[in-house]
Amino acid sequence: SAVISQKPSRDICQRGTSLTIQCQVDSQVTMMFWYRQQPGQSLTLIATANQGSEATYESGFVIDKFPISRPNLTFSTLTVSNMSPEDSSIYLCSVGGYSSYEQYFGPGTRLTVT
Amino acid sequence: KQEVTQIPAALSVPEGENLVLNCSFTDSAIYNLQWFRQDPGKGLTSLLLIQSSQREQTSGRLNASLDKSSGRSTLYIAASQPGDSATYLCAVDTNTGFQKLVFGTGTRLLVSP
Repeated sequence: SAVISQKPSRDICQRGTSLTIQCQVDSQVTMMFWYRQQPGQSLTLIATANQGSEATYESGFVIDKFPISRPNLTFSTLTVSNMSPEDSSIYLCSVGGYSSYEQYFGPGTRLTVT
Repeated sequence: KQEVTQIPAALSVPEGENLVLNCSFTDSAIYNLQWFRQDPGKGLTSLLLIQSSQREQTSGRLNASLDKSSGRSTLYIAASQPGDSATYLCAVDTNTGFQKLVFGTGTRLLVSP
């Protein structure tokens, strides 16, 4: 397994601003993922962030809105740009690439946009 | 497009009961299925993973089964405890080779003392 931390744990932001969420893992991993969980909904994959390559975005998510960095094998950031109230969600990072095929999740960042 | 549904959406039981949570998926071409629990204000905890070639997995009081051809999985919890109260999510790996998970809608479980 892996121990994953996220910063910040929660934030309240103004419409039109941007927030960068950090994800730190206690060991090197090949695959990192970013998910969004809107209020009352299940998790939706935003993008896959593998070190050394550009992030791969899922349908409905674009790089201009959710730029992602993956500078090394233990760290990634997700930026939520030009925020609107519809971006109010929990954002979670996860790691994979293990021989067991399991994925492990961070505690999430609860974002409220006013 | 893969869709994952969980029934019931919510469940309330007294402590000690055995219970079954259901998960169904529309596309049987999956690589594996994973069950998670989500506690309020916390992330997801991995409970069990069943490979597509397996029928079931067990961990302690938890037993998960998989019927890939019918697109169904169940999570059986024996002798439920108040500490089992959480939201339970199933997720399927969509067999793309990139470990992309499609999550179900979740079952919110409350176990009363």
